[in-house]
Amino acid sequence: DVKVTQSSRYLVKRTGEKVFLECVQDMDHENMFWYRQDPGLGLRLIYFSYDVKMKEKGDIPEGYSVSREKKERFSLILESASTNQTSMYLCASSVHAGYTFGSGTRLTVV
Amino acid sequence: AQTVTQSQPEMSVQEAETVTLSCTYDTSENNYYLFWYKQPPSRQMILVIRQEAYKQQNATENRFSVNFQKAAKSFSLKISDSQLGDTAMYFCAFMKHEGGGADGLTFGKGTHLIIQP
Repeated sequence: DVKVTQSSRYLVKRTGEKVFLECVQDMDHENMFWYRQDPGLGLRLIYFSYDVKMKEKGDIPEGYSVSREKKERFSLILESASTNQTSMYLCASSVHAGYTFGSGTRLTVV
Repeated sequence: AQTVTQSQPEMSVQEAETVTLSCTYDTSENNYYLFWYKQPPSRQMILVIRQEAYKQQNATENRFSVNFQKAAKSFSLKISDSQLGDTAMYFCAFMKHEGGGADGLTFGKGTHLIIQP
């Protein structure tokens, strides 16, 4: 069963901490994405990557960075977590118009 | 840039009824895909239906069908014989055909659909 795996389902971090959200896919997809989901705002694209070591800013990249050292892994980094980054984070991978999503990480920054 | 608008934040219908969720979008692209995704409380995003813009025939998947009006930039989802398991958030999404989707999906804000027993 093909899938996208996000390492944590729930995460609680303190303000100012450096936070890593990990995402791994087993479908050999070129494209990977990080979205943020907030009530009433839908899903908003933070960063995406179309190849190893390539990264592109999405609609809301401020306060985030990403890393893609291997094709199957795409990491989202919060350099200094803030309370306004409390949210649900969804990872996805795709080939053409076929997308597969992870189950999300609900991050709380206190 | 593309925008996707879902004007119904929440809808509630009785089991077995038919319900239509609205979606409009704005784009200058001529070739693109439109999607409806379902997100139940488990959080897993599930593809409900996909429509390619160059296909005039409306997509159908069992109880789910769309009304795609390209000129009006409208893409509504009809759920027939609604079931309790249809209760979920529903997201409309847009993807440019150019680039093979490498720059991702643009989502609407979602409609929370509640099916009442």
